[in-house]
Amino acid sequence: LAKTTQPISMDSYEGQEVNITCSHNNIATNDYITWYQQFPSQGPRFIIQGYKTKVTNEVASLFIPADRKSSTLSLPRVSLSDTAVYYCLVGDNGDTGGFKTIFGAGTRLFVKA
Amino acid sequence: DTEVTQTPKHLVMGMTNKKSLKCEQHMGHRAMYWYKQKAKKPPELMFVYSYEKLSINESVPSRFSPECPNSSLLNLHLHALQPEDSALYLCASSQNNRVHEQYFGPGTRLTVT
Repeated sequence: LAKTTQPISMDSYEGQEVNITCSHNNIATNDYITWYQQFPSQGPRFIIQGYKTKVTNEVASLFIPADRKSSTLSLPRVSLSDTAVYYCLVGDNGDTGGFKTIFGAGTRLFVKA
Repeated sequence: DTEVTQTPKHLVMGMTNKKSLKCEQHMGHRAMYWYKQKAKKPPELMFVYSYEKLSINESVPSRFSPECPNSSLLNLHLHALQPEDSALYLCASSQNNRVHEQYFGPGTRLTVT
C-alpha cells in the first residue's frame, strides 16, 4: 500500500506559482498519481493525474521524476480562490474490486492578497 | 450533466434511529463510492460498487449498510450509529472502478446525538 507524504500547509500570494510536492516512496509499478482539490464543506474535485514525466492541463501541471518516488503539483499564478486543501493519491491496485483510493493527509494552501 | 447529488445535505439522528443517505448520478458511471470525512482529515474510503455489485468494503461496521439499487443510485443505510460516526459522508462516481478520476457530491453532514 503506497503511502503519501505532503507538507501540512503552504502560504502563497496571488499571482505566484505554487509547487506542492508529494512523496510516495513505495509506489508500485502500476500505480498512477492523482491530485484532488477540496474546498470547505464540498467534495474533492479531480485536478490532474499522471504516471511519469510531465502532464499539463488547463488547471495545473504535474511533474513526476523518473524514479516516481515523488511528484510535484504546480499551480500557475494562483488566486485567492485557489485557497483549498490539495490531496495527493497513489492508486492502490487491489487484488479484487479495482482501485482503492487512499487520500493522503493533504496540504492546506492559503493564498494571500 | 457532471453532477453527483446527495440528499439530505444535513442529518441529525439519535443512536436508535434508522436513516438513509442517498446519492445519484446520471453520467453513466458504473462505479460508485462512499467515503467518510471527519473534520480536518482526508476522506476515508468505505465502500466501492462496480456495476451495481459491492466490490470493496473497507471493514466498515455493519451499522453502515450500502445498497446500489441501479447504476444511477447509491444508498447508505444507517442504524444504531454512535456519536463518533458524526462526519461528512461523501458519495463519488467514476466511469468504472479502474479509473482514478472520481466525481464527488457535496456530501451529507451527519450528526449523531
